[in-house]
Amino acid sequence: QVQLVQSGAEVKKPGASVKVSCKASGYTFTSYDINWVRQATGQGLEWMGWMNPNSGNTGYAQKFQGRVTMTRNTSISTAYMELSSLRSEDTAVYYCARGAGYMVRGVSDYWGQGTLVTVSS
Amino acid sequence: SYELTQPPSVSVSPGQTARITCSGDALPKQYAYWYQQKPGQAPVLVIYKDSERPSGIPERFSGSSSGTTVTLTISGVQAEDEADYYCQSADSSGTVVFGGGTKLTVL
Repeated sequence: QVQLVQSGAEVKKPGASVKVSCKASGYTFTSYDINWVRQATGQGLEWMGWMNPNSGNTGYAQKFQGRVTMTRNTSISTAYMELSSLRSEDTAVYYCARGAGYMVRGVSDYWGQGTLVTVSS
Repeated sequence: SYELTQPPSVSVSPGQTARITCSGDALPKQYAYWYQQKPGQAPVLVIYKDSERPSGIPERFSGSSSGTTVTLTISGVQAEDEADYYCQSADSSGTVVFGGGTKLTVL
């Protein structure tokens, strides 16, 4: 069965960076995009970007351009999302999700369990 | 920037029909997708390409599109359907966006 298992919760200081991992299993990792979505407490979903694990190509939401980097290690079927220059507004649950392959890139059919990132001084 | 507009909340009694709308200028040209999210859980895709239902999603979930508005319909609502629902689509340049979400309350 398809599974996406994310790394554990993180606490970071303002200005620091965080790197969240997402290990995929149950399917061919390089055949589907990995999307990243975040959700602040009590708020809605916010799309951050996508990565093609086969090519390494990425597409980021304009809001995160220059601050986010999505990478992968195909040998261990793991995707990574690194967000830099953290501020308190970045406190949220970060989800990785498998791209569903539909016409709108960024649609997801399987999701990780989420990783809580807390930014606090 | 492109926005998808959803009502903040919808309330229905068990067994009734719930309709959740999502409006956006690009929806006549871009498909919409719907997710259900229950507290403390990751979202689940319930409708794709406006009206298609993934395997495992109950038949009471359906979707439709008319002009700049798409609608998620839940027929014969059950208590377990109480959740937040989000639409997702893209603008003409392919930039992905979520709607603000609608909280469905089953009275």
